[in-house]
Amino acid sequence: QVQLRESGPGLVKPSQTLSLTCTVSGGSISSGTDYWSWIRQPAGKGLDWIGRVYTSGNTNYNPSLKSRVTISVDTSKNQFSLKLISVTASDTAIYYCAREPMVAPWRFDPWGRGTRVTVSS
Amino acid sequence: QSVLTQPPSVSGAPGQRVTISCAGSPSNIGAGYDVNWYQQLPETAPKLLIFGNTNRPSGVPDRFSASKSGTSASLAITGLQADDEADYYCQSYDISLSGSIFGGGTKLTVL
Repeated sequence: QVQLRESGPGLVKPSQTLSLTCTVSGGSISSGTDYWSWIRQPAGKGLDWIGRVYTSGNTNYNPSLKSRVTISVDTSKNQFSLKLISVTASDTAIYYCAREPMVAPWRFDPWGRGTRVTVSS
Repeated sequence: QSVLTQPPSVSGAPGQRVTISCAGSPSNIGAGYDVNWYQQLPETAPKLLIFGNTNRPSGVPDRFSASKSGTSASLAITGLQADDEADYYCQSYDISLSGSIFGGGTKLTVL
């Protein structure tokens, strides 16, 4: 059973870069059967899709974040990563990683437990 | 403001039935893209509740059902239980945005 776990700094200064990693266990990112996505949730608010990466490295991003986001995959470590540059307080959120089966695009299952990131000086 | 519109809250007494609506547009639900529903219990990650408009993953009780018609979808929960208290989100794909979209979420309170 595939499980995902997010990791990374819980505090980032304004204007700096937010970097998170999602480690996949119980399955292989290299299998080529899934997309791997990042989704975030500001405190007390709804869910926002950030973007996704495929095993090949091909990506799709939310247009509202596209200029600041990079999602990449490291098959040797069975991980994928999120980088968000020039962060502001509005980027404070819980960040989730999730699997998206290619046989059912745009369905997120399972999700990681999430990691809380605060942007503050 | 979310692309998919859900009521902020619904409530019902134990044993009752509630429905949660999800209003979209011709560029997402109305274009034929699947609607998925997620349940987010307090302080936990969202969990897939309904996929492909009407299907329940294994382990999800049949008290949960969903439908889709035109540019909208809805989730129904029958036989309400206290542990159904959660936030519920609809989700689909939007061709104009070329990406996934979520509803704003509906908080279910069991009275």
